[in-house]
Amino acid sequence: GDSVTQMEGPVTLSEEAFLTINCTYTATGYPSLFWYVQYPGEGLQLLLKATKADDKGSNKGFEATYRKETTSFHLEKGSVQVSDSAVYFCALLIQKLVFGTGTRLLVSP
Amino acid sequence: DGGITQSPKYLFRKEGQNVTLSCEQNLNHDAMYWYRQDPGQGLRLIYYSQIVNDFQKGDIAEGYSVSREKKESFPLTVTSAQKNPTAFYLCASSIREGWVSGANVLTFGAGSRLTVL
Repeated sequence: GDSVTQMEGPVTLSEEAFLTINCTYTATGYPSLFWYVQYPGEGLQLLLKATKADDKGSNKGFEATYRKETTSFHLEKGSVQVSDSAVYFCALLIQKLVFGTGTRLLVSP
Repeated sequence: DGGITQSPKYLFRKEGQNVTLSCEQNLNHDAMYWYRQDPGQGLRLIYYSQIVNDFQKGDIAEGYSVSREKKESFPLTVTSAQKNPTAFYLCASSIREGWVSGANVLTFGAGSRLTVL
């Protein structure tokens, strides 16, 4: 079935470090891809999305490019802040929305 | 401001009791969803509803029930048949069920944490 695999966390970084959170997917067709973020004690918020191959989603300094050839949608940010500490979920949409297990990011001052 | 309101935020239940989690949205969204979140397992779909008076089972519907009598409301009942109900429950909505839209974006509530004592 359709699935999403994310790198296990926690990912621990110092402020202003470069961030990459890996996400790969398995799907029978051509899914749309999403990154959601969950801040402590809250629900999920859409961070960015891409609906077709080679699309780049971006928001709040975060970017992810839909790579069909490697079935990946890695999340990147050039300089993280303490306020970016959260759990990040990669998800795909084809027939239904399927979430990865989430990756916790911890950013220290 | 439009959004999704879940209540209560924290709930404690004794074994054998049914509990109902509330979810209300004022976004005029057609579709509503319930997810369960457990550590290390991501989000799993319990039930979803595309229109009033209609709902479908998700991946882990056993031990849960829902109703959709109003467009704005989609309450979830955790019954005594649910063997491991302690979890964080998230309600979401979207403008349409649109699994095939390619751009369906969910808006989530803040969640309800259920603990069985």
